Amino acid sequence: GAVVSQHPSRVICKSGTSVKIECRSLDFQATTMFWYRQFPKQSLMLMATSNEGSKATYEQGVEKDKFLINHASLTLSTLTVTSAHPEDSSFYICSARDLIKPNEQFFGPGTRLTVL
Amino acid sequence: GIQVEQSPPDLILQEGANSTLRCNFSDSVNNLQWFHQNPWGQLINLFYIPSGTKQNGRLSATTVATERYSLLYISSSQTTDSGVYFCAARETAGNKLTFGGGTRVLVKP
Repeated sequence: GAVVSQHPSRVICKSGTSVKIECRSLDFQATTMFWYRQFPKQSLMLMATSNEGSKATYEQGVEKDKFLINHASLTLSTLTVTSAHPEDSSFYICSARDLIKPNEQFFGPGTRLTVL
Repeated sequence: GIQVEQSPPDLILQEGANSTLRCNFSDSVNNLQWFHQNPWGQLINLFYIPSGTKQNGRLSATTVATERYSLLYISSSQTTDSGVYFCAARETAGNKLTFGGGTRVLVKP
């Protein structure tokens, strides 16, 4: 149980294009999902908290117009990197909290984005 | 917000050795989790342990909430234990899980 999937696992795109990453909770409902970013040999940094049916809450320094988050259902959140640039290249990881057992968080396998 | 610090940052072990990883946090918590990040980046949940002691095979963890630290024990280490170990904590009044800097473990055969 408590499986979180992400798609795609890897994406390479040209500078200026937009990329959408999907995060799904497969066997539980998640009112809250989180998006993290991890640069090489560094820890995970929270980018935003996504609540089903409402606007996401972004951490300080994260551009909300660049990183669009939609949490349209209890099992799906999407992160769209708009007008991607090479400095956006990173490992993006989503996480979800179970509606019924909300204290523990479960993480997706991550999406490696490379912007050329 | 809560501060989470892990030590040591790097650890090299000979196969079969035991080790202890430490996680200090600055505020009272309602969530403390340990993860192992594998070479492909996947975070594997090891323990959800806001307090007390748990064991799972060769791994065990103890959180002393009143003293704001948690320990992860690896016994009889194997080469497959290599990777980065993260602890993460959420303060009692908060909504965000904050990660420590990680401990990079290398187990040599």
